Amino acid sequence: SAVISQKPSRDICQRGTSLTIQCQVDSQVTMMFWYRQQPGQSLTLIATANQGSEATYESGFVIDKFPISRPNLTFSTLTVSNMSPEDSSIYLCSVATGTGSEKLFFGSGTQLSVL
Amino acid sequence: SQKIEQNSEALNIQEGKTATLTCNYTNYSPAYLQWYRQDPGRGPVFLLLIRENEKEKRKERLKVTFDTTLKQSLFHITASQPADSATYLCALSPSGSARQLTFGSGTQLTVLP
Repeated sequence: SAVISQKPSRDICQRGTSLTIQCQVDSQVTMMFWYRQQPGQSLTLIATANQGSEATYESGFVIDKFPISRPNLTFSTLTVSNMSPEDSSIYLCSVATGTGSEKLFFGSGTQLSVL
Repeated sequence: SQKIEQNSEALNIQEGKTATLTCNYTNYSPAYLQWYRQDPGRGPVFLLLIRENEKEKRKERLKVTFDTTLKQSLFHITASQPADSATYLCALSPSGSARQLTFGSGTQLTVLP
């Protein structure tokens, strides 16, 4: 298992600004992910944070909008840039551990509201 | 297109009864299927994983079945308790990669005392 600390837990931001979310894991992990969960909807994978290289983004998500850093195997940040109300959502950091790295462990999430 | 469907409506049951949640999928050939629990304001918590060659898995009061012919998984909570109230998500992956894990929208379960 893994213990994940994510902050901030919530924030209210103005349109056009940016917010950086931090994710700290209590052990070294290879696979770290960032998800978005919009109200009443399922989790959608934004990107895989790769240590020492550029993140791998899923269809519909781009680096300019969601830049990601992963300086080491225990820490990552996700920035939501030039925010609009449509970015209001829960953002979740996750790591894959266990045999085969099949199980996901999640942080508590960041509740973002954009006015 | 690929689709994962869970009970679209919230499920209310009486304490002590068995809760049964459904996860149906189309246009997938999953290598495994997982169930997670999510409480309000929290990230999902892993509960169980069942592989394509397994029919049933149990963990304490939880039981998961996996029917690849029907393309369906059932998630059972026996002797349900109010503390079991949460949203339950199913997720499946066509390969062994967690990166390809796709989540359903979840079923909100309320266990009434």
